[in-house]
Amino acid sequence: DGGITQSPKYLFRKEGQNVTLSCEQNLNHDAMYWYRQDPGQGLRLIYYSQIVNDFQKGDIAEGYSVSREKKESFPLTVTSAQKNPTAFYLCASTGTGAPSGNTIYFGEGSWLTVV
Amino acid sequence: GDSVTQMEGPVTLSEEAFLTINCTYTATGYPSLFWYVQYPGEGLQLLLKATKADDKGSNKGFEATYRKETTSFHLEKGSVQVSDSAVYFCALSERLGGGTSYGKLTFGQGTILTVHP
Repeated sequence: DGGITQSPKYLFRKEGQNVTLSCEQNLNHDAMYWYRQDPGQGLRLIYYSQIVNDFQKGDIAEGYSVSREKKESFPLTVTSAQKNPTAFYLCASTGTGAPSGNTIYFGEGSWLTVV
Repeated sequence: GDSVTQMEGPVTLSEEAFLTINCTYTATGYPSLFWYVQYPGEGLQLLLKATKADDKGSNKGFEATYRKETTSFHLEKGSVQVSDSAVYFCALSERLGGGTSYGKLTFGQGTILTVHP
């Protein structure tokens, strides 16, 4: 079945370490996104990519980095510069143009906890 | 900038009760509107959407109508079930950077719904 796969589902990080969250999609979607969710809040956009080898900062990009070397993959690195990284991270994708471009599909999320 | 305001929760109902979760928005353009549902420990699932004024999105007994004149997209269900207990997010989306994809979702803060037997 087509969908978005995020891994790992749970991750613990020591302070000062970088960690990378994986996101893979087999929907043949051009655009991919990373969102962060904090308890009791909606989602905030970290980075997005509309095409391979190109990506743009979202609203809260500081302390994060991404790459888009393949259409199906959009990994997110949470760097040691991110001061408050403990959160739920969601990857998403869309096609381009109507109607598929109008619907955003989400992965199941990754929980990151700093210990 | 764009924003979405949802009614504050949590909302607690008995099974078979009528549900309304209010959502209003502000947007500079002509956004698409969505309701997403999040079950405990999971990602977000699209519940329904509407792309233009007076469109009604519906799914699993839930409905919402895109009201441009009142900038609203209220979620309703005539008879809730225990399995509807979840967090519900209202969201709008706009085109990203002049492209054709919609991905920059602006979310409301979410409304926790608990349905008791």
